[in-house]
Amino acid sequence: NAGVMQNPRHLVRRRGQEARLRCSPMKGHSHVYWYRQLPEEGLKFMVYLQKENIIDESGMPKERFSAEFPKEGPSILRIQQVVRGDSAAYFCASSLTGGTMTGYTFGSGTRLTVV
Amino acid sequence: QQPVQSPQAVILREGEDAVINCSSSKALYSVHWYRQKHGEAPVFLMILLKGGEQKGHDKISASFNEKKQQSSLYLTASQLSYSGTYFCGTDFPQGGSEKLVFGKGMKLTVNP
Repeated sequence: NAGVMQNPRHLVRRRGQEARLRCSPMKGHSHVYWYRQLPEEGLKFMVYLQKENIIDESGMPKERFSAEFPKEGPSILRIQQVVRGDSAAYFCASSLTGGTMTGYTFGSGTRLTVV
Repeated sequence: QQPVQSPQAVILREGEDAVINCSSSKALYSVHWYRQKHGEAPVFLMILLKGGEQKGHDKISASFNEKKQQSSLYLTASQLSYSGTYFCGTDFPQGGSEKLVFGKGMKLTVNP
């Protein structure tokens, strides 16, 4: 069982470029959550997706950020025209069932640095 | 609606005990506890769903008070491997936010 796979582990982008972060949930998990973490801070919710559906995107900035979880393939978090303030660790988590009655399994994260 | 964790940081010697608190101004649906080591993914420890519930494994246990507004994580006879940042994640009933909101974390350092 490979767990939640995120890639790349580290991503460096220049200001104005696009960043694409990928997340493959645990086998059998169809619920995916994206969180952002700044140094020495907690995990900030961004978006909750099921296959082909966005369930809750209340934590995601309205501009430049988008997320998808297609029928086939990984979930993608896309950040367009990145700015220095986007630098952070982005974690993906998956769960077997929706909601919060079961624990989340987190991936190792993607550390985005905008230069 | 972010839960409040206290204390913010603790330094212990091996073998000492620690308690981490997680509080909310409103009743919660569930409380999750996770530990994150530096540069790594958060790891699920346990979940509490019922008021008055207590659960644990080995020397790590947790409680959820009757009003479901506070949870505590108990680390007994701490080991070096317990070092890391502990987060509680919460959500609320009624319409289900369906996602966890995490506290700011409590950084635990266990020294020999």
